[in-house]
Amino acid sequence: SAVISQKPSRDICQRGTSLTIQCQVDSQVTMMFWYRQQPGQSLTLIATANQGSEATYESGFVIDKFPISRPNLTFSTLTVSNMSPEDSSIYLCSAGSGTAYEQYFGPGTRLTVT
Amino acid sequence: QQQVKQSPQSLIVQKGGISIINCAYENTAFDYFPWYQQFPGKGPALLIAIRPDVSEKKEGRFTISFNKSAKQFSLHIMDSQPGDSATYFCAAGGYQKVTFGIGTKLQVIP
Repeated sequence: SAVISQKPSRDICQRGTSLTIQCQVDSQVTMMFWYRQQPGQSLTLIATANQGSEATYESGFVIDKFPISRPNLTFSTLTVSNMSPEDSSIYLCSAGSGTAYEQYFGPGTRLTVT
Repeated sequence: QQQVKQSPQSLIVQKGGISIINCAYENTAFDYFPWYQQFPGKGPALLIAIRPDVSEKKEGRFTISFNKSAKQFSLHIMDSQPGDSATYFCAAGGYQKVTFGIGTKLQVIP
């Protein structure tokens, strides 16, 4: 298993600004994932971030809006750029040891855009 | 396109009863079917998972039943306890990614 921490745990941001969310894993992992979860809703995959390669984005999500970095095997960041109220959500990162089969999730970052 | 359909969206069960949550998938290439449990304010946690080569997997009070021909799988929680009150997500996928169901909010009442 892996322990995932995220920073910040929550934030309130103004429209038009950007927020970078950090995700730290306590062990080296190959795959990291970023999800968005509206309160009371399902998890929607934003992108998969593998170390040493460009992030792979899901349909409806683009790099200009959600740039991702993956500098090493224990850390990743997701930036939510040029935010609007529609970006208000919970953002979760997860890690998989080599596949998406067993994912370990962080506690999430609750973002509110005003 | 909803690749994983989950029902019911909410469920109330008496303590000691059986909680049953159902999921159906469309993509026959899926080869991994996990269930996640999420408490308020926390990230989802892997509960139990099954591969399509078995029809049932049991871990403690939690059992997955899998019907490959019907493309359906379900989670059974035996002897449900108030501490089981949480949101449960089924998921389906492969080694690169999984797709989550809409979630079932389970409430176990004393």
